[in-house]
Amino acid sequence: KAGVTQTPRYLIKTRGQQVTLSCSPISGHRSVSWYQQTPGQGLQFLFEYFSETQRNKGNFPGRFSGRQFSNSRSEMNVSTLELGDSALYLCASSLVPLAKNIQYFGAGTRLSVL
Amino acid sequence: DQQVKQNSPSLSVQEGRISILNCDYTNSMFDYFLWYKKYPAEGPTFLISISSIKDKNEDGRFTVFLNKSAKHLSLHIVPSQPGDSAVYFCAASAGPLRVFGAGTILRVKS
Repeated sequence: KAGVTQTPRYLIKTRGQQVTLSCSPISGHRSVSWYQQTPGQGLQFLFEYFSETQRNKGNFPGRFSGRQFSNSRSEMNVSTLELGDSALYLCASSLVPLAKNIQYFGAGTRLSVL
Repeated sequence: DQQVKQNSPSLSVQEGRISILNCDYTNSMFDYFLWYKKYPAEGPTFLISISSIKDKNEDGRFTVFLNKSAKHLSLHIVPSQPGDSAVYFCAASAGPLRVFGAGTILRVKS
């Protein structure tokens, strides 16, 4: 069965622009979480969606937003990009919301902000 | 406030020897812990997990130990193989909250 698919794999943007990243979860998985990975900071939790509803949100500014569609696919949007937004953005899916569930990660989208 | 800490940014081990990766946490509400492995250009993959009701869980060459009183967990890899070279993340969960550590780079030398 296909894994978690993230598109695009690489993005280059300039400061002030906005960007939308996409994530298709494993078939049947209804929970999607987003993480930002930067060197030395590990995986920082952005938000989690389940059944089109945001269940949980990390400590990121409002420039970071997301949504989930009825087919469980999710998008993440970052507006007014800053240099510090350069990172690997990872999406993970699980059957149901977190707690004691295993997450399956996509390969990520590498965002570079110039 | 880093609730989950991996204090060793990197670890180098000889092939065939034991690799021990460590993780400390501060939130006593965490009741489920996981280890993930990440190769370059790939997403993290699940390795092994442990519930707070246990103090040890084994899966082949991988064993996770949990010391709740010290709020410490460790991952033992025996014997280490060159293919184990990767970044290892520990994660801790409490209800809907899941927090990851910063990762430890493991290099297994042949």
